[in-house]
This record gives sequence, structure tokens and C-alpha cells, in this order.
Amino acid sequence: EVQLVESGGGLVQPGRSLKLSCAASGFTFSNYGMAWVRQTPTKGLEWVASISTGGGNTYYRDSVKGRFTISRDNAKNTQYLQMDSLRSEDTATYYCARSDGDSFDYWGQGVMVTVSS
Amino acid sequence: DTVLTQSPALAVSPGERVSISCRASEGVNSYMHWYQQKPGQQPKLLIYKASNLASGVPARFSGSGSGTDFTLTIDPVEADDTATYFCQQSWNDPYTFGAGTKLELK
Repeated sequence: EVQLVESGGGLVQPGRSLKLSCAASGFTFSNYGMAWVRQTPTKGLEWVASISTGGGNTYYRDSVKGRFTISRDNAKNTQYLQMDSLRSEDTATYYCARSDGDSFDYWGQGVMVTVSS
Repeated sequence: DTVLTQSPALAVSPGERVSISCRASEGVNSYMHWYQQKPGQQPKLLIYKASNLASGVPARFSGSGSGTDFTLTIDPVEADDTATYFCQQSWNDPYTFGAGTKLELK
């Protein structure tokens, strides 16, 4: 059974950093692209970032470029999202998702990130 | 960004057929995908690339369309289908999602 378990969320002040982790199991992690997608009641679902199987290719939405870094450790079956210079508009539930390059076929339960002073 | 427009809500009776539409502001070829999200849960992939049924999804769900107009059909609708349905495109950068259609059962 495919499982994706996020961790690392919480309350953080504007301008500070937070690192999310996503532990994967139930499939050969190194064979799949991965992604982060966030959701808020006002903006809905937003794709945030994606990473290729080996980690050599990364992609970001414009609003997080230069502030967020997606990475993965295939030996640990884990992907990460390093979030720096956080803004209030980054407040959301962040989902880890497995990607075939186009759609997201499995999602984690999500982790809440709140950016507030 | 490619804007995906969905009707906000629909109400149907169990056993009926329902079609949920998604219109893209620009062409996305067949790179449209559909998700179901129930309250308090993560989204679940139903249909990928317009018309392909995702693994484990009942055949009551089907998808059609290309270019800018797409449809998710549920036939027949069951009580458990109460949820919000989202479309997502992957043809244009960045990937975008529709705002969702909330399906309620009468």
C-alpha cells in the first residue's frame, strides 16, 4: 500500500524558515517524481514544486522561486520542502504527492503551515 | 496562468447520472486530470489525461474532452460520491487546479 506521511509543519513567524518532510513507503520511491501541493480555503489547490526521480530536475511556481527548495533522498525514501523567507500567504495545508509528471496519483494526509506573528 | 472554471455546486439524487464540467482559459490538449476530495481528507485521483481511469476507481466514473472543455461523469451516482471534485491541467506551466465542484446528494 502506498503511503506518504508528511511532517514538520507548524506555526512560524514571517521571514522565518520551516522544513517539511515526506516519508514514502509501499512503492519504489526512486522510480517516481514527487511534488508538493498546497491548499487554502481562499486560493484552493496550488501546485508548489516538483522534483524528478533522481532529483536533478526541480520545478517551482513563480511565487515560491528563490524561497522554497524541493529535494529528495532516495536512500531514505523521503522528500523535503525547505521553505525560507515565509510569508503570510504561504499559510496552507501542504500535501506531499507522487507524480507521474502530469497528475498526482497518491497524496499524503497533509501538514498545516501557519505563518503569523 | 491557465484558469480552470468549474461550476460551484451540483445536487443530484442517488442513481442519477451527473456531469461535472471544467473549462480551461487556454488549450491543454488532453492533459486534464480529475480528483475527488471528501471533507477532512486528501484529494484522490480519479481520471488522468482526460479519460483514463485511475487504479482502483470504480467504472461509474468516466472522463471526456480535449482542448478547453472537459467533463467528469458519474453514472450512477451513489451516496458515497458526496465530495468536491477538482480538475487540474498539466499542459501549461504552472500546473493549475479548478476551484472545485461540490456534489451534494438529494
